Amino acid sequence: DAGVIQSPRHEVTEMGQEVTLRCKPISGHNSLFWYRQTMMRGLELLIYFNNNVPIDDSGMPEDRFSAKMPNASFSTLKIQPSEPRDSAVYFCASSPRQGRWEKLFFGSGTQLSVL
Amino acid sequence: GENVEQHPSTLSVQEGDSAVIKCTYSDSASNYFPWYKQELGKGPQLIIDIRSNVGEKKDQRIAVTLNKTAKHFSLHITETQPEDSAVYFCAASKGTGNQFYFGTGTSLTVIP
Repeated sequence: DAGVIQSPRHEVTEMGQEVTLRCKPISGHNSLFWYRQTMMRGLELLIYFNNNVPIDDSGMPEDRFSAKMPNASFSTLKIQPSEPRDSAVYFCASSPRQGRWEKLFFGSGTQLSVL
Repeated sequence: GENVEQHPSTLSVQEGDSAVIKCTYSDSASNYFPWYKQELGKGPQLIIDIRSNVGEKKDQRIAVTLNKTAKHFSLHITETQPEDSAVYFCAASKGTGNQFYFGTGTSLTVIP
């Protein structure tokens, strides 16, 4: 199993540019989560999907952020326009939703730097 | 919503000693408590978890305890090794379909 695959690993962009982060969950997993990690706020849940449907996007900081999951094997997180305060590590995680308790499997993250 | 607090934020131990990390939670409805280990440049990886119907769980050198009455749970690492050096996160959840609330992390350094 290849695990959760995220791309790119590093992204450096200028303020105002559009940024798209990509995620391929583990095959067969029903849930997908996007997290943001910063020193100040730790791990924050941005949005999560069940069976490709967005369930809770209350963590999305503002309208500049959007996420899609067009099929079970692919999701994107888009920031448009990007701002320096968006600089963080963005993690995608998937879960098989087996049983009563979910186990999260994280990707290696995308280190985003907005200059 | 749930509030998870984690202490200490940094911890240094000598190789072979034990390390303990503590977390408290606020929502009595939380019933699942995983611990994640994050190595430099990698995503968090699940190392052990405990459910609310269990008071203690052990896996080799790692153990987790849960006190539901006091709403706190702890990670214990015995006979620490340099490869245990990482950031450790606790989390709380109400189970499938509910989100995870993470603690702020503990940076553990094991000194050879």
